[in-house]
Amino acid sequence: GNSVTQMEGPVTLSEEAFLTINCTYTATGYPSLFWYVQYPGEGLQLLLKATKADDKGSNKGFEATYRKETTSFHLEKGSVQVSDSAVYFCALSPPNTGGFKTIFGAGTRLFVKA
Amino acid sequence: AAGVIQSPRHLIKEKRETATLKCYPIPRHDTVYWYQQGPGQDPQFLISFYEKMQSDKGSIPDRFSAQQFSDYHSELNMSSLELGDSALYFCASSLYPGRANTEAFFGQGTRLTVV
Repeated sequence: GNSVTQMEGPVTLSEEAFLTINCTYTATGYPSLFWYVQYPGEGLQLLLKATKADDKGSNKGFEATYRKETTSFHLEKGSVQVSDSAVYFCALSPPNTGGFKTIFGAGTRLFVKA
Repeated sequence: AAGVIQSPRHLIKEKRETATLKCYPIPRHDTVYWYQQGPGQDPQFLISFYEKMQSDKGSIPDRFSAQQFSDYHSELNMSSLELGDSALYFCASSLYPGRANTEAFFGQGTRLTVV
């Protein structure tokens, strides 16, 4: 079946530190991969996405590369800010199944200290 | 740009009461999904609709029902509420995924508290 596994949190970093949040997936076929971010008290927002192998999604300084050989989609940012404190969800969307349900990882909470 | 609108944003109900959550998708989106996110948990898929027909079903309790109307908005009806139903309920919309890897856009959620 389809599943997403991401590193457990919380992750606590100082401002300007390098961020990596690991995400691996299990899927049949070629799913689309996403990172969603949830700021305190708000809904899920799409952060970035990649729809095929070797694609790199990027937004707001965050990047993730679709690695089919390692079934991974790790999220990275070179220099985090306090405003990046949020919960980050890795997710996949199965390809053209006739139904549709995004499958989410458990989320990783990030705290960034000034 | 217009986003997915959910109402109400917050709702407090007593046990055994009924609640109705509403979702208004992005214009021209024909597919709506409902998710439930318990405290500290990842979102769980409940149900989805395409062109007013149920297209997929997840872990939705029998006490819950949902429908999509002719204007594509959707309502999630929850009866005999239990304390464990307290959660953030997200609605998302997209174009039908048969159009290749479309993404879902999420509303801000309705926080339901059952007391």
